[in-house]
Amino acid sequence: AQSVTQPDIHITVSEGASLELRCNYSYGATPYLFWYVQSPGQGLQLLLKYFSGDTLVQGIKGFEAEFKRSQSSFNLRKPSVHWSDAAEYFCAVGDPFKTIFGAGTRLFVKA
Amino acid sequence: GAGVSQTPSNKVTEKGKYVELRCDPISGHTALYWYRQSLGQGPEFLIYFQGTGAADDSGLPNDRFFAVRPEGSVSTLKIQRTERGDSAVYLCASSLEFGANVLTFGAGSRLTVL
Repeated sequence: AQSVTQPDIHITVSEGASLELRCNYSYGATPYLFWYVQSPGQGLQLLLKYFSGDTLVQGIKGFEAEFKRSQSSFNLRKPSVHWSDAAEYFCAVGDPFKTIFGAGTRLFVKA
Repeated sequence: GAGVSQTPSNKVTEKGKYVELRCDPISGHTALYWYRQSLGQGPEFLIYFQGTGAADDSGLPNDRFFAVRPEGSVSTLKIQRTERGDSAVYLCASSLEFGANVLTFGAGSRLTVL
């Protein structure tokens, strides 16, 4: 069965510091992988997606993620965090028809 | 419309009552999805539609939950005999093509069952 694990419930980073959010998945074939962000009072917004090809994918707002098949991971990174990045981040896995989400990692940014 | 619209944004009801939550997807999007998000959790898949038909309803928790999309556009999620455990944010998403799997979400309908 498909599943997504986000090991960190919450993470705090200083503004300007780098960020890495972890995501591990379980899937029987090559998955479609996603990162979504949810800000307070806002709907879920797609940051980036991986379907095939280059394993390093670029997204919006300066985010990137790397697909590592051997580790079943799809970690999200950003070189320099801004205070506006404080939000909940969800990793998701799926096939073309159905997407399963992880429990999320809440990011806090301190000045 | 420009985005996925969900109404009501908030619904408070009493245990045992019936509720309907509406989703108006982006114009032209053929695929429509319902998710439920409980506090501190990620979105949990409920059901998705391709056109008018439910392609996969395996996520509906029990037979109190039902969803329709009669004309292939607007969808209604219906919950009978609500229970306190049904309290959550119900999210709707749509996708341009069935199988494209890039979801555009609405802001959600927060349901509180007293």
